[in-house]
Order: sequence, then structure tokens, then C-alpha cells
Amino acid sequence: GAGVSQSPRYKVAKRGQDVALRCDPISGHVSLFWYQQALGQGPEFLTYFQNEAQLDKSGLPSDRFFAERPEGSVSTLKIQRTQQEDSAVYLCASSLVGFGSGYTFGSGTRLTVV
Amino acid sequence: DAKTTQPPSMDCAEGRAANLPCNHSTISGNEYVYWYRQIHSQGPQYIIHGLKNNETNEMASLIITEDRKSSTLILPHATLRDTAVYYCIVPVEGSGAGSYQLTFGKGTKLSVIP
Repeated sequence: GAGVSQSPRYKVAKRGQDVALRCDPISGHVSLFWYQQALGQGPEFLTYFQNEAQLDKSGLPSDRFFAERPEGSVSTLKIQRTQQEDSAVYLCASSLVGFGSGYTFGSGTRLTVV
Repeated sequence: DAKTTQPPSMDCAEGRAANLPCNHSTISGNEYVYWYRQIHSQGPQYIIHGLKNNETNEMASLIITEDRKSSTLILPHATLRDTAVYYCIVPVEGSGAGSYQLTFGKGTKLSVIP
């Protein structure tokens, strides 16, 4: 597609529920990133993939967060046993290379944990 | 830690130039300056980046001071659609993971007024 597509656009989860957020990057983009944006704050880095390899997961806030990109294209961010503090917008971005060029972001998934 | 300092908010009259400043006094020789913006309810959008020369594209111009300790993003003829939060970012240099991580900070909220 022409841009980075994320689904669902909105997700409401009950506390303790598992959720899966999907990202379809731009075709051919090698690098894929996940960011978390709390209300009123700038986005914060979660994790980075180069093709199917997860090269950096230092930003994942806890072991309840897990990301994968098994075939080097679509990526899924999974959050287990959701907590209220997980409520945020989760943004996915892709780029042709890891750095030195602009990243294209999707519109994000707004997760609300109730 | 954020490596840049931006004013929290600015106003600009529609049709006038918007000049958004950014201080990055600790920038090192090989670190680029990136600008992104985020319109309400959308993901961040890449605008422009530069190293030490002034840069221009279809969206904006980037003026970097000779000592590289500050820069200015210029939107030559601001429109209402330019109302957004503008982020000035200096990715951490190095061969490690940090070079591709974008630290957004809080940015400058630009309001274009009719």
C-alpha cells in the first residue's frame, strides 16, 4: 500500500485481557519500529526490527509486551494481561534503512484498558 | 535524555512564515537534525533533516547555524492545516542501537490562526 497501515484503529480491552496490534509496513521497507504515545506526551521507542530480526527491544516496558515480524513484513505487537497503564496510542513506523532517512508512521492504534 | 530544547507553543498568522526554533547545543559532529510533525489524531510525519548545510524541500526549509548548536524550521506560508506539534530530534550517534531511536520530547505546538 501507499502508507503504513495499522489495525485496529481503536481497541478497548478489559484489564487482564490479551491484545494483538497489527502493523502493515510499506512494501519493501526493511526497518520497522514500534512506539508508544501516552496522552499529552511525545512517542517513545519500544522496539526495532530489521527484516525479521528484532535487533532492539530495549524500550518494551515489561515482559508482558512482545513483538514479532516472522516474515519480515507484517508485524504484531502483543500485550498480555493488559493493565490500565498500558492505555496509549501504539504507533508503527517503517523505513527503507534503519536510520539516515525519514520514517513513515501509521496512524496508530488507540488502546484503552478499562 | 532529550538532546533538544523547543518552546512549548507558538502562534502564526495564516499566510505568514512560521519559524520554529530548536536548540541542540550538545550535538556532535556526525549527528543529524530531524524534524517531524504530528497533526491531531495522526502519526508523526517526517518533514526534513540536515547535517550542517541548509536544506529545503516541498514542505519546509531547515536553517542550521554554523556552530550547529541550533536550527530553525521554516514553513514559508503557513496554512491552517499546518497546525500541529513539531518535533526537533537529534538521534543518538553511534554504531549501537541508539542511532535509529527517535527521542521526541514534547515539541512545539504550532497554532496557525486565520
